[in-house]
Amino acid sequence: EAQVTQNPRYLITVTGKKLTVTCSQNMNHEYMSWYRQDPGLGLRQIYYSMNVEVTDKGDVPEGYKVSRKEKRNFPLILESPSPNQTSLYFCASSLGGGNEQYFGPGTRLTVT
Amino acid sequence: SQQGEEDPQALSIQEGENATMNCSYKTSINNLQWYRQNSGRGLVHLILIRSNEREKHSGRLRVTLDTSKKSSSLLITASRAADTASYFCATDALSSGTYKYIFGTGTRLKVLA
Repeated sequence: EAQVTQNPRYLITVTGKKLTVTCSQNMNHEYMSWYRQDPGLGLRQIYYSMNVEVTDKGDVPEGYKVSRKEKRNFPLILESPSPNQTSLYFCASSLGGGNEQYFGPGTRLTVT
Repeated sequence: SQQGEEDPQALSIQEGENATMNCSYKTSINNLQWYRQNSGRGLVHLILIRSNEREKHSGRLRVTLDTSKKSSSLLITASRAADTASYFCATDALSSGTYKYIFGTGTRLKVLA
């Protein structure tokens, strides 16, 4: 089944404790992206990757890191999480930029 | 922020009625897409319209795009209770060979049975 998977689905952590949210797709998509969703603000793009080893900042990259070492995986790294990073995070992939995106189920992160 | 905006923010209609939601954006675009989200779950792609298209249909969905006004509308005809969801527009812009996406703030649609 074609899908985008994210892990974990729920995470509660404390300020400053490094964490990684994994994202994997099995559709051989070139383009992958991370978004955060906050009430009243819609989705905002954090980072995106046009293809392997090529990543770029979205609108809200501060406090986040990503890497794209292989086509299928695009982990999101929070080196020192802060409470303002409490949010619902989505990973998405598409055949290329400008195509329909397939979204993962979301990761609900709470930073206390 | 270059956030897109949608209106209305919330819409409540009776089953069988049509639902129209609008999206405005601020920059030149390559494509505009509409997505549906059920209650905090992942978004599902509905339809894509390119910047050189003015109207597109898919089943009960009709999308229009007016690039001169930087706006789009999504019409859902003969609404069903299962259409209850949040709807988002997303624009993409090609810049320096890369694509960035900007999503609207969404319209919450409630279809009453």
